[in-house]
Amino acid sequence: GENVEQHPSTLSVQEGDSAVIKCTYSDSASNYFPWYKQELGKGPQLIIDIRSNVGEKKDQRIAVTLNKTAKHFSLHITETQPEDSAVYFCAASGTDKLIFGTGTRLQVFP
Amino acid sequence: EAGVAQSPRYKIIEKRQSVAFWCNPISGHATLYWYQQILGQGPKLLIQFQNNGVVDDSQLPKDRFSAERLKGVDSTLKIQPAKLEDSAVYLCASSSTTGNYGYTFGSGTRLTVV
Repeated sequence: GENVEQHPSTLSVQEGDSAVIKCTYSDSASNYFPWYKQELGKGPQLIIDIRSNVGEKKDQRIAVTLNKTAKHFSLHITETQPEDSAVYFCAASGTDKLIFGTGTRLQVFP
Repeated sequence: EAGVAQSPRYKIIEKRQSVAFWCNPISGHATLYWYQQILGQGPKLLIQFQNNGVVDDSQLPKDRFSAERLKGVDSTLKIQPAKLEDSAVYLCASSSTTGNYGYTFGSGTRLTVV
């Protein structure tokens, strides 16, 4: 079955800097890769997703890149703000269930 | 639109007791999921419903966990008897599509088994 690895587990950046979170997946049949943001006491919230027919997708300060050959995808947050502080999860799925990574705790210091 | 509603928000029980969680998905969403999120880990799918039928329950510990979605709308997840390792946040999510796209999660129920 699918296995998703996520790095780093924690990430601290200064406000205004960029943050990058990387994930690798094992199932070459996976074709959908969402990213979720989870704040304390809340459920995960979808922030951006990408499908396998696209190499990159951008939404304001957030971008996701996908390398299907290497089976890895990344989340890029530019101009980070304190409100970006949260736990971020990547996930992957094909026709089967959505498999989540282990999460990255991002802290943005003012 | 209203989000996914879950109750209770918190529950503390002793091991071997039973507990039930309730979820009301977004109106019109045919697909409903229950996930278990252990502290420091990503969510893990327990069961997926399409309307009132089970699509995937391969990771549901069926000796102690059960779930139902009788009228294809709201759902309940039950644990009986609970074990210490069941301490986790139980998340409900719903989707309007049949594929694994566009999940909306509820805020979850934090279960502590003592």
